[in-house]
Amino acid sequence: DAKTTQPTSMDCAEGRAANLPCNHSTISGNEYVYWYRQIHSQGPQYIIHGLKNNETNEMASLIITEDRKSSTLILPHATLRDTAVYYCIVRASSGAGSYQLTFGKGTKLSVIP
Amino acid sequence: NAGVTQTPKFRILKIGQSMTLQCTQDMNHNYMYWYRQDPGMGLKLIYYSVGAGITDKGEVPNGYNVSRSTTEDFPLRLELAAPSQTSVYFCASSPTSGNIQYFGAGTRLSVL
Repeated sequence: DAKTTQPTSMDCAEGRAANLPCNHSTISGNEYVYWYRQIHSQGPQYIIHGLKNNETNEMASLIITEDRKSSTLILPHATLRDTAVYYCIVRASSGAGSYQLTFGKGTKLSVIP
Repeated sequence: NAGVTQTPKFRILKIGQSMTLQCTQDMNHNYMYWYRQDPGMGLKLIYYSVGAGITDKGEVPNGYNVSRSTTEDFPLRLELAAPSQTSVYFCASSPTSGNIQYFGAGTRLSVL
């Protein structure tokens, strides 16, 4: 799996967009970018994933650069409930031979009232 | 839908005791997983199952056992609990071997 680099922590004002960056310069052609988050004391929660096109769902948007070496998760209108640790994971779409999701240290997002 | 349900939420064990952590999912997912998360650390895979009757070891299986008699249930058994097993345990499921996994709320276990 490609290595990812994320900032340790970020702050965002409530109601503003939260933009969380992730660098994955060694990503392979068949690897997707996945985002999960873990709210304090809860299980991780899947947010979104993508290969090369930008993606949007009800929770967030994912912007992947053209060279695929970095991506940004966007929470369009952050609320206090979005305070969590956000993990960027790069993996091939099939988990054959390895089913473990590797969660690094992630980015601690604090949404400020 | 309830999703992935874990019981109990909290438990304190004495060294040498045994217990079973329960996990059930109502999404008809074939794949199920058990992870542990130590304080300030990432998740480590203990065991996983690709379907009823099929289980396999993950990264840290020692001291644990699992069974998968039905699609819905994937219990984790701790035999002879040790302080090193103090952790938060998460169960997860996924419809395929892909990387979208759905997690339960966790079981916080202390072994004293």
